[in-house]
Amino acid sequence: EGQLVESGGRLVQPGGSLRLSCEASGFSFSNYWMNWVRQAPGGGLEWVSRIGSDGSSAVYADSVKGRFTTSRDNTKNTLYLQMDSLRGDDSGVYYCTRGLYFASGSYSYWGQGTLVTVSS
Amino acid sequence: EVVLTQSPGTLSLSPGERATLSCRASQNVINNYLAWYQQRPGQAPRLLIYSTSSRAAGIPDRFSGRGSGTDFTLTISRLEPEDFAVYYCQQYGASPFTFGPGSKVNIK
Repeated sequence: EGQLVESGGRLVQPGGSLRLSCEASGFSFSNYWMNWVRQAPGGGLEWVSRIGSDGSSAVYADSVKGRFTTSRDNTKNTLYLQMDSLRGDDSGVYYCTRGLYFASGSYSYWGQGTLVTVSS
Repeated sequence: EVVLTQSPGTLSLSPGERATLSCRASQNVINNYLAWYQQRPGQAPRLLIYSTSSRAAGIPDRFSGRGSGTDFTLTISRLEPEDFAVYYCQQYGASPFTFGPGSKVNIK
């Protein structure tokens, strides 16, 4: 059964940078589009980014466009989220997700999440 | 961007009762690509329903989804204690894929 494990979340100052990682196991990582979804403290879910199976295409929510970069290393079964110019409203739990099937937008696999706190 | 509105915001019911949650889209959801997720406190969301009415693997048949176009419903036929949680709808027919604000089902 598939598993996703995020890491890299921590306290960072406004304007700072952070890189999150998501290690996948139990499925053919290189066949699937992958996504980042975040949840502000006490808030709802917000889709952040999606990347194609070969890493050739990535799309972003307007709220992070130009500041966040998603990439993947299919040799390491790992998804990344490079977060620059961080702001307070970027704080929250960041989840790595996989679709039900290769390019599906319904997310059947979620990691446990990693907490990012942007504060001085 | 497709904006999703969920109602009610909070629903207080007793175990064994029926829960009906609504999700309304600002425009037609392409291919009725509408999903429902359950989130319990301290846990990641869990996919319940995809493509409006298909149950995900391992989801009990007390959960059912229906709808089309802009109006969608999640029904829990008889609430079990573990069903008291927050429920989110999501459309994935058009990018950006968007979530509703959630509906919380409380124990009465």
